[in-house]
Amino acid sequence: EAQVTQNPRYLITVTGKKLTVTCSQNMNHEYMSWYRQDPGLGLRQIYYSMNVEVTDKGDVPEGYKVSRKEKRNFPLILESPSPNQTSLYFCASSLHRVTGELFFGEGSRLTVL
Amino acid sequence: AQKVTQAQTEISVVEKEDVTLDCVYETRDTTYYLFWYKQPPSGELVFLIRRNSFDEQNEISGRYSWNFQKSTSSFNFTITASQVVDSAVYFCALSEVNRDDKIIFGKGTRLHILP
Repeated sequence: EAQVTQNPRYLITVTGKKLTVTCSQNMNHEYMSWYRQDPGLGLRQIYYSMNVEVTDKGDVPEGYKVSRKEKRNFPLILESPSPNQTSLYFCASSLHRVTGELFFGEGSRLTVL
Repeated sequence: AQKVTQAQTEISVVEKEDVTLDCVYETRDTTYYLFWYKQPPSGELVFLIRRNSFDEQNEISGRYSWNFQKSTSSFNFTITASQVVDSAVYFCALSEVNRDDKIIFGKGTRLHILP
């Protein structure tokens, strides 16, 4: 089954404790992206990757890091989480950045205390 | 700059009514793609439709239809004879061919279908 898998789905952590949200897709998609969803703000892009070893900032990259060492994986790293990073996070992938529809993971709800 | 505006934050209609969700976009590019996604209460995001800037034909899929008008930079989504299962947040999105690699989403419209 074609899918994007994120883990963990739910996480409560404390300020400053590094965490990683994993994302994996099994569709051989080149494009992958991370979004955060906040009430009233819609979906905002954090980072994206056009291919292996190619990553770039989206609209709200501060406080986040990503890597793309393999085509299927695109982890999101919060080196020192802060309460303003409490949000619902979605990973997505697409065959082509411009023309392809995005396939989304189920979302990861993160709470930073 | 890219921009996608969904002016309707929240809409409530009674079941079986028709409802239109508006999407207005801004772009300097001549080649671009527009998308609609649905986010039901369960939270997942599901692709509904893609339209490229050279194809202004309206699209109909069952009770769903989309009206793309380049003259007004709009890509509106209509649900005919709405059902409770249509209750969701709907997002419009834009991607451009010749600009940067971002995909821009509107802030979404929350649709409530009342039984």
